[in-house]
Amino acid sequence: EAGVAQSPRYKIIEKRQSVAFWCNPISGHATLYWYQQILGQGPKLLIQFQNNGVVDDSQLPKDRFSAERLKGVDSTLKIQPAKLEDSAVYLCASSFQGLGEQFFGPGTRLTVL
Amino acid sequence: GQNIDQPTEMTATEGAIVQINCTYQTSGFNGLFWYQQHAGEAPTFLSYNVLDGLEEKGRFSSFLSRSKGYSYLLLKELQMKDSASYLCAVRTPGGATNKLIFGTGTLLAVQP
Repeated sequence: EAGVAQSPRYKIIEKRQSVAFWCNPISGHATLYWYQQILGQGPKLLIQFQNNGVVDDSQLPKDRFSAERLKGVDSTLKIQPAKLEDSAVYLCASSFQGLGEQFFGPGTRLTVL
Repeated sequence: GQNIDQPTEMTATEGAIVQINCTYQTSGFNGLFWYQQHAGEAPTFLSYNVLDGLEEKGRFSSFLSRSKGYSYLLLKELQMKDSASYLCAVRTPGGATNKLIFGTGTLLAVQP
């Protein structure tokens, strides 16, 4: 079974630029998560989707971050404009149901200069 | 508030046994997960505990005491490939689905 796919794997941008990340979850998984993992820390949940609806975005900095999952499958996470402190790995995960085990993608490593 | 504590780093010898502890204080509890994360890679699932006691899975075991807010991951017959970060995560009830809160991870170095 194919795992969670993410692209790009690496991205370097300057502060105040925009960036977008893409995630394709495991087929049939209704729940999709975006996490931010800063070096030396555990993943922090940014947003959780159930199909194409947002379940939890309480820790998403909504002034600069946005995410969508229009058809309940693929998802994109955008940062506009980026700040230095946004440098992190952005992990996408999916689960069959909201209570199920989460499967993680390889992540996108973002460096903001 | 939500608080999950793990040691930052541990070192152990190949072939030995190591125990990684995790304590938590969360608003609600609906299970505890352990994930392994190699440098530059995604976390991968190791174990899940929702009831008190020990869950064994090959060389890996995980223990939970809900009354003490405590869990540990036990790794036996350590191999060099076990060098990785081990993340403790608590699932807390919230909304339509539950939410995972991760600790900062314990970086384990296995030495020959």
